[in-house]
Formats: sequence, C-alpha cells, structure tokens
Amino acid sequence: GDSVTQTEGPVTVSESESLIINCTYSATSIAYPNLFWYVRYPGEGLQLLLKVITAGQKGSSRGFEATYNKETTSFHLQKASVQESDSAVYYCALGPDTNAYKVIFGKGTHLHVLP
Amino acid sequence: EAAVTQSPRNKVAVTGGKVTLSCNQTNNHNNMYWYRQDTGHGLRLIHYSYGAGSTEKGDIPDGYKASRPSQENFSLILELATPSQTSVYFCASGDGTGGALEQYFGPGTRLTVL
Repeated sequence: GDSVTQTEGPVTVSESESLIINCTYSATSIAYPNLFWYVRYPGEGLQLLLKVITAGQKGSSRGFEATYNKETTSFHLQKASVQESDSAVYYCALGPDTNAYKVIFGKGTHLHVLP
Repeated sequence: EAAVTQSPRNKVAVTGGKVTLSCNQTNNHNNMYWYRQDTGHGLRLIHYSYGAGSTEKGDIPDGYKASRPSQENFSLILELATPSQTSVYFCASGDGTGGALEQYFGPGTRLTVL
C-alpha cells in the first residue's frame, strides 16, 4: 500500500549544526505522487513547509531543502544550519496527482534545537 | 486572519458523554478533513468531506460521526465518548486544483475523556 516512513524522533541538535530528517515513501497506487513537508510549531496547527510535485525537482523554504528522488523513493529534509526557532514537529507527506482526497502523513519527527 | 479555526481548543469530557468538535474555514475549499494525532501514530484520517452535505469515512471512523452543513463548517461528533478517544484533533481544508493536494490546518483541539 501507500505509506510514508520518516526518522523517528526526538532529534536533538545544537544551533548552527546541520540537519537531515529522512523520509522514504511507498506509492503503489499513485502513479505520480506529490511530496510535502509540513511543520507544526508548539501550540499551532500544521503548516506547509515545502512541496515538490515533479520527480527530480528540489523544493526549498526557510532554509530547508528536500529533493524528490524517484529512484530511491526518498524526500529527505535538510538544513545546513538550524536555529532554535526551528524546534517543531516535522511531517513528511505523500499526496495524489489528481484531485483525490487523501494525503498520507508520516508519524512526525520532533526536532529540538539547543541554544 | 486564520483561515481554519477550531472550537473548542481544549475539552474535557466524561465517558459516555457526547462531544462535538467544530471547524470553520474561510478558504472556500471543497475538501475538509478531520484527523487525530497520537504519539507514535502520526496523523490519522477520521472523516472527510467533498463539499456541503457530503461526509466520507476515513481510515479510523469507528466511534465518530461527521457533519458538513455548509462549505465553511465541518463538525466531528463523538456520540459516546471513550477514554481511547483522548487525543489532539486537527481539522483541515484542501483544494486539489492544479494537482497538488495541499492542506491547511486548524490549530487543533485537545480532547481528554475521563
């Protein structure tokens, strides 16, 4: 079936260090999946961080990057230098290529950035 | 201004009681969703809707009902609340126009069933 697997947290890094949160997907029923990273800051709802709808493309936002790799079915989230304000829960998600209803979310990765 | 709002933000209910969680969106999106978030499970889809008057079962609908009386409003109803329904509930709206089904989330409702 369709699923998303991401780094289990919590992940703790110090400010200015680099970060990678792994995400792999299985899209057996979706011909052209769209991939997303959402972020949930404390006390808030999820918000879209970045999305990529074409294999081979890279998305970026707020210093984060993720490349849609169809060969390895991966969509890892990276940042060269994290800030304390990046502390949040990050969700990788897999979406349909048509106006269907469902987005499949990973379990979320809790990131703690130490000052 | 927040495009997806939820009420209440926090709720304590008793076992066997009825609970209604409300969601309002001003995005004019056709699709609306209810999820629950539990540690170790990520977001799980309870019910969703394609538009006013429609409700569909998601992945974990047992024990929940939904109501979509208008484009803007989507409610989640627990007729007989149980402690296993203690969770954080998120409402979202979405519009797949253009292909990518991006969703917009409310701030969540923390429900505790005693």
